[in-house]
Amino acid sequence: KQEVTQIPAALSVPEGENLVLNCSFTDSAIYNLQWFRQDPGKGLTSLLLIQSSQREQTSGRLNASLDKSSGRSTLYIAASQPGDSATYLCAVKDDYKLSFGAGTTVTVRA
Amino acid sequence: GAGVSQSPSNKVTEKGKDVELRCDPISGHTALYWYRQSLGQGLEFLIYFQGNSAPDKSGLPSDRFSAERTGGSVSTLTIQRTQQEDSAVYLCASGVAGSGELFFGEGSRLTVL
Repeated sequence: KQEVTQIPAALSVPEGENLVLNCSFTDSAIYNLQWFRQDPGKGLTSLLLIQSSQREQTSGRLNASLDKSSGRSTLYIAASQPGDSATYLCAVKDDYKLSFGAGTTVTVRA
Repeated sequence: GAGVSQSPSNKVTEKGKDVELRCDPISGHTALYWYRQSLGQGLEFLIYFQGNSAPDKSGLPSDRFSAERTGGSVSTLTIQRTQQEDSAVYLCASGVAGSGELFFGEGSRLTVL
């Protein structure tokens, strides 16, 4: 059974600092890995999708890396802003099912 | 539609009543999923549809829970004889089968009194 772990569980940084969020998974036989953002009381917004054959994906200030062999992914958010405050979820897809980590709750202080 | 649509957004019901939650996926998406998110908990997989078939319903917590999908589109999750522990946000996602991206709706928040 795929187990997904996210560290840290919570993070508080001053505005402008770079954010580093970690995700690890136990079974490297994955199709892809997806990072989501969830605001309080809302659904999940897809941020980045990395296919199993890729090493990284970038979108604006966001960059996600994938090391499938070691079962790790890292989400980098450059020059954080208060609007980046949210919970970030990592999910891995094996065959058809998406398995989620518990998330990292980020607070960016103005 | 432009995104995954779920209704109702909020539902308050009394213990023992039946509820139906609806999901309207993105047009053309053959894969549809239901997940549950309880307060302070992670996302729990409930059921997966490919077209109208449900090859994996292993996450349904009990036989009070059922789901169907018709026309390869809209899906309904039904909870019979609701219990207080059923209170949660029920999230629906759709995507293209295989290695495609999944898109989630805003969820249906269920409160059982």
